[in-house]
Amino acid sequence: GAVVSQHPSRVICKSGTSVKIECRSLDFQATTMFWYRQFPKQSLMLMATSNEGSKATYEQGVEKDKFLINHASLTLSTLTVTSAHPEDSSFYICSARPGQMNQPQHFGDGTRLSIL
Amino acid sequence: GENVEQHPSTLSVQEGDSAVIKCTYSDSASNYFPWYKQELGKRPQLIIDIRSNVGEKKDQRIAVTLNKTAKHFSLHITETQPEDSAVYFCAARFNTNAGKSTFGDGTTLTVKP
Repeated sequence: GAVVSQHPSRVICKSGTSVKIECRSLDFQATTMFWYRQFPKQSLMLMATSNEGSKATYEQGVEKDKFLINHASLTLSTLTVTSAHPEDSSFYICSARPGQMNQPQHFGDGTRLSIL
Repeated sequence: GENVEQHPSTLSVQEGDSAVIKCTYSDSASNYFPWYKQELGKRPQLIIDIRSNVGEKKDQRIAVTLNKTAKHFSLHITETQPEDSAVYFCAARFNTNAGKSTFGDGTTLTVKP
């Protein structure tokens, strides 16, 4: 149980393109989902907390107009990287946690984004 | 906010030996401590977790110990195997419904056959 599906797994696109990444909890409802960015050989950097039915909470230094998050249902959150540039190239990973307290978070497979 | 420090950053052991990774946290309110294993290019996977009302937890070759007073917790892997080679992350969280985890910087474990 507790499967999180993330798509696409790989994106290569030109500078200026907007890219949407989907994160779905397949067998549980998630009121909260998290979006991370990971650079090579580095830790998981939390970008924002996605809350179902309300605005996302962004970490300090993360541009909310650049990284648009929508959490329209209890099983789906999306991250849109708007007008992507080469410096946005990274590995983006989402995670979700069942609504009950004391539950671990489960990660998606990640999306490797390459902006040319 | 919470700050998690993880040591060592790299660890190399011989197959069959034990491996220990240590983390310290700063926020005494944190009460949930998971450990994740991440293989190259793959998702982090939960391998074991511990809550603050427990001092030790074991699952086959993996164990985690927690010292709340000193605010540190450790991952112990016994009888290591080459397939244990990966990056391991510790995390700390205050377990509210919206609680976010703070991750350590990771430890790259290499098990030599």
